[in-house]
Amino acid sequence: GEDVEQSLFLSVREGDSSVINCTYTDSSSTYLYWYKQEPGAGLQLLTYIFSNMDMKQDQRLTVLLNKKDKHLSLRIADTQTGDSAIYFCAGWGKLQFGAGTQVVVTP
Amino acid sequence: GAVVSQHPSWVICKSGTSVKIECRSLDFQATTMFWYRQFPKQSLMLMATSNEGSKATYEQGVEKDKFLINHASLTLSTLTVTSAHPEDSSFYICSAPDGQGTGELFFGEGSRLTVL
Repeated sequence: GEDVEQSLFLSVREGDSSVINCTYTDSSSTYLYWYKQEPGAGLQLLTYIFSNMDMKQDQRLTVLLNKKDKHLSLRIADTQTGDSAIYFCAGWGKLQFGAGTQVVVTP
Repeated sequence: GAVVSQHPSWVICKSGTSVKIECRSLDFQATTMFWYRQFPKQSLMLMATSNEGSKATYEQGVEKDKFLINHASLTLSTLTVTSAHPEDSSFYICSAPDGQGTGELFFGEGSRLTVL
């Protein structure tokens, strides 16, 4: 299977929380990243977490890292229409990216 | 934060021609830059690592003679798609790690190549 797996699609209502999940097999990366990609644009770094941390909060964003289960998640609180995009988790030794999760926010 | 700029943002060319895409670090020096390819609704695929002053390192399955990479200075890497064909049409993105050792990658805006 893939080294990094993400769910492909998520639909949320405006104001709700979004949770995007990512599982991985290689645990050698020092940093784990979440990137946002809007249509036709490059990638924008949202946040990152050191591999020795369990949680990082940055305004509306909360990153949770479960090293035992090799599971990374991104929670977006109070999701807005401007949060509609594709979200990629990334990291590991050779800059591997997950397939991306398309988040659609409905009014 | 640091800025990485790509040029052109969109290029359309005829089959058989060569296209050069530039990736510049605007306010920092980048001895290493990465080139990715992204197909519609798919993830980024690392193509090669560009090293200033030395040969690029290509990922398995990426044709070196097809995708020429030159890292001529500490702020510029170029990707040349030689003898382009329609199957080369894609979104090409470059990135560079910051020079502060945080591990953060800064991405260019991407270059969309359409080969007719």
